[in-house]
Amino acid sequence: GAVVSQHPSRVICKSGTSVKIECRSLDFQATTMFWYRQFPKQSLMLMATSNEGSKATYEQGVEKDKFLINHASLTLSTLTVTSAHPEDSSFYICSASSGLSNTEAFFGQGTRLTVV
Amino acid sequence: DAKTTQPNSMESNEEEPVHLPCNHSTISGTDYIHWYRQLPSQGPEYVIHGLTSNVNNRMASLAIAEDRKSSTLILHRATLRDAAVYYCILRANGNKLVFGAGTILRVKS
Repeated sequence: GAVVSQHPSRVICKSGTSVKIECRSLDFQATTMFWYRQFPKQSLMLMATSNEGSKATYEQGVEKDKFLINHASLTLSTLTVTSAHPEDSSFYICSASSGLSNTEAFFGQGTRLTVV
Repeated sequence: DAKTTQPNSMESNEEEPVHLPCNHSTISGTDYIHWYRQLPSQGPEYVIHGLTSNVNNRMASLAIAEDRKSSTLILHRATLRDAAVYYCILRANGNKLVFGAGTILRVKS
């Protein structure tokens, strides 16, 4: 299957700083990317959907000014957590897809964010 | 988003087949049935997907009911490495991929 590379895999940052997470589709063009967060022992919660060249669509309750998503190319999407707080500590996962229902989505390995 | 219902957990013995059920009674005609699994501290991994006919690949088989209101993921010989959370998801064109609670599969040696 296709490879989606997510970087960094782990990051620790101080409260109030911003953190950028990159998601790269290495061997196919991802017209659609999804960003999720996952708390311990819970399922993945969809944060936003981004289509290349368009503004991201955020799920209800997700602050778009806090979680900035950029999908400038077919192979790269970034999630920036601005002014991070300890409650933002979580496992963040990206997914790359063609957007078609009959094709699989591919996931990054996740980023463990700890805000201290 | 069409909803799926899965058992919270299941247990299997190693080397035995496992049948993971999923109910999706509100599925629409164009929704594909996708299965993904997630190992601890990793991103999900694609397993299989289908529309109406049963599907087989190197990882698993997907049996889809004739009315499409349910499906079953079949692992033919469970190994310890198959212990994971398995998610059944309905996907329509252009729609987001929404995860439910999934089924925790435990494999006993």
